[in-house]
Amino acid sequence: KNEVEQSPQNLTAQEGEFITINCSYSVGISALHWLQQHPGGGIVSLFMLSSGKKKHGRLIATINIQEKHSSLHITASHPRDSAVYICAVRRGAVSDMRFGAGTRLTVKP
Amino acid sequence: EAQVTQNPRYLITVTGKKLTVTCSQNMNHEYMSWYRQDPGLGLRQIYYSMNVEVTDKGDVPEGYKVSRKEKRNFPLILESPSPNQTSLYFCASSLRAGGDIMGYTFGSGTRLTVV
Repeated sequence: KNEVEQSPQNLTAQEGEFITINCSYSVGISALHWLQQHPGGGIVSLFMLSSGKKKHGRLIATINIQEKHSSLHITASHPRDSAVYICAVRRGAVSDMRFGAGTRLTVKP
Repeated sequence: EAQVTQNPRYLITVTGKKLTVTCSQNMNHEYMSWYRQDPGLGLRQIYYSMNVEVTDKGDVPEGYKVSRKEKRNFPLILESPSPNQTSLYFCASSLRAGGDIMGYTFGSGTRLTVV
């Protein structure tokens, strides 16, 4: 079983819909990251969380440390949001990173 | 422009021929790391470095070497590449090990094919 599980694997939405991507992890972590990988392959860091909630534009990320769960929300989705979204955790006292398999999001106009 | 520069972007090589993929950052970041990405397996960490002369193994270090002689550079060395090292490689850096408020900055990737 992966230490980091994401759901869903694939998600298709209509433009304007509210999107939620989930990430659950089974190890102690010191930080959780959400990454976006564009169709061209480039990776961009969206959020780093250790507690609570962060918001950037139409993107919101939350984390519940007790439940070992994080969510990434996209409000008013747009076709340019189409990408693979990857959850990554930094484990406890060490600095190595473990990644979820990614969620492929397609937003149709 | 603040960035992580990887070279080359694409490389086809033969089994056993030593190669180096370079990674350089211009942000004075302490932390640098290498990842490989494979279909169905996602991203996996190869090696990371907390600072100059400090490197540690990640999840899949076998067959790879790294060095951190200067803060800005973190080359990935494949001394005897094999076909199972065919993959998409990313270098990333951050101000500190946990990532800073900006998270991690990733290079553009190197697509390596070993035949």
